[in-house]
Amino acid sequence: SQQGEEDPQALSIQEGENATMNCSYKTSINNLQWYRQNSGRGLVHLILIRSNEREKHSGRLRVTLDTSKKSSSLLITASRAADTASYFCAAGPDSWGKFQFGAGTQVVVTP
Amino acid sequence: EPEVTQTPSHQVTQMGQEVILRCVPISNHLYFYWYRQILGQKVEFLVSFYNNEISEKSEIFDDQFSVERPDGSNFTLKIRSTKLEDSAMYFCASSEVGTDQETQYFGPGTRLLVL
Repeated sequence: SQQGEEDPQALSIQEGENATMNCSYKTSINNLQWYRQNSGRGLVHLILIRSNEREKHSGRLRVTLDTSKKSSSLLITASRAADTASYFCAAGPDSWGKFQFGAGTQVVVTP
Repeated sequence: EPEVTQTPSHQVTQMGQEVILRCVPISNHLYFYWYRQILGQKVEFLVSFYNNEISEKSEIFDDQFSVERPDGSNFTLKIRSTKLEDSAMYFCASSEVGTDQETQYFGPGTRLLVL
């Protein structure tokens, strides 16, 4: 079974709108992390939410976690063209620190 | 801010050739990881490394792959005889400790193209 499956796969919005993407996972986790990846570039850590937390904010980012539904959401408010990127959730880690990544949501913000 | 660095940023090689991908983890980190991402697909775990030995490896990490920490700063991934399907972006990551709550810091990646 796969950890960290995101939806939608792609999202196209106008600047100023909010972007919401979801992540589901299969097994118990200790934390869930969201990463951003610009085309052809590395992974940038955005935010970590622990299994005992329900919501977390960081700037324009809002992450929720529902462990009963094994799901998380990432909300980017007041999006900007510079937010155009792929966003991945990573669920875990297991006892060796390994995370399972989802396929990502590709977000395009049009000016 | 400390960061994980990787070299080279891009590498093109012929099928069957050996490649070594290099990573310099953050200096006080003790756990090291390699992941790969085939174009358009998800990031996949390859291997974790601690105390000079492999902690865990995935089914992808077969005998063609090896990792090494040759000195106090570098962490390398070697692919002995590359295959076309090894073409991917390879990410190195490190974390301060391997506990459940730690964040892994990723390098910028090495894009490997096998022809």
